[in-house]
Formats: sequence, C-alpha cells, structure tokens
Amino acid sequence: GQNIDQPTEMTATEGAIVQINCTYQTSGFNGLFWYQQHAGEAPTFLSYNVLDGLEEKGRFSSFLSRSKGYSYLLLKELQMKDSASYLCAPLDGGFKTIFGAGTRLFVKA
Amino acid sequence: DVKVTQSSRYLVKRTGEKVFLECVQDMDHENMFWYRQDPGLGLRLIYFSYDVKMKEKGDIPEGYSVSREKKERFSLILESASTNQTSMYLCASTITGGSYNEQFFGPGTRLTVL
Repeated sequence: GQNIDQPTEMTATEGAIVQINCTYQTSGFNGLFWYQQHAGEAPTFLSYNVLDGLEEKGRFSSFLSRSKGYSYLLLKELQMKDSASYLCAPLDGGFKTIFGAGTRLFVKA
Repeated sequence: DVKVTQSSRYLVKRTGEKVFLECVQDMDHENMFWYRQDPGLGLRLIYFSYDVKMKEKGDIPEGYSVSREKKERFSLILESASTNQTSMYLCASTITGGSYNEQFFGPGTRLTVL
C-alpha cells in the first residue's frame, strides 16, 4: 500500500531551525516533492529529491534516503511568514504524486 | 509564470444540485488534476487527464465526473451534490517529460453543500 507519515503540527521560534520529517511507503518511487501551503491558499513547490542526499535552496534544504523511505525538510532562520503547512509528496512508480496530510508549522516570536 | 485559475473561490450549493467547477491553465500543460483537500486527510486525487478528451479515475472518483474538451480547460462535475462533498477543491497542472514535473495549483474552490 501507499502511506505517508509526517507530524501533524510543530512549533518553532523565529530565527531558529526546524526539521520536518517524513517517512513514506509507495509502490515504486520516482522522487519526492515538498510543497508549502499557507492557510486558505494553494500548495506551492519547494523542492524535489530523486537521489539520496541533501538539496539546498536558500533557507530551505531537503534530504532523501531512498533505502529508509525517509525525507526531511530543513528550514533555517525561521521567519513568521514560514508559518504554513508543509506537504511531503512522493512520486510512485507510475509517476503519480501521493500527498501526505501535511505538517502545520507555527512560528512564534 | 504558470497560471492556473479556478472559476470560483467560494461556492454554496444545495443537496441534489448539479455543480460545475472549472479550471483553466495558460501554459499548454498536457496533464491536469482535480483534488479535494479535507483536514487531516491531505490531498486526494479525484480524476486526472493527460490529454484532451482523456480522463483517468483517481483514488476517490465516486460522485464526480470530468470533462476535458480543450487542452487548457478541465472541468469537475458533481452530478448530484451531497453534504459529504463539502470540501476544498484544488486543480493542478503539469507538463509531460523533463527531469521532474512539479504541479502548479489553482487557488482552490471552497464548496459548501447544504
């Protein structure tokens, strides 16, 4: 079956670093996306990993371990505007995107 | 920039009504998707289309149908709306080919069925 597990909520302080973990099980694998979704808005693309390792893009980094079925999104120098939901979304063997329920991140001053 | 638009941001309908949700994208994308998003459940795929007049069932197609008469437009139809179809509906599009294909989402339609 297909399953994605990520924490429901996290809270962090402005300026800090936060890591959002995701474990997944899919029928086949063709990479993994992270999307950001602010309340009441559409998801927007953050990152894509297809090979093991860390991909860095400014304040955001994403890590993938295919053998462990594990990914994380790392957010540095947190800002209030980073308060949003973060969706872990692997691509299965048929290139279908499977979305997790998301992790709601609250950034406090 | 890719733009995906949806016909309404908010919609209120009555049980039994026929409901049309329209989605238009302006980047000549082959693939279009309809999802619904409910708290704690994430995005669930209703239908998708990889070409004009082509459609494929997603994970939860029951109670829905779709139409894709033109490449840029993908419509979701609720033949007889029910209260359990109250949800946020999101349309997305993506190209075919390339190293990876991120999905571009519309702003969503929040549908309430009374």
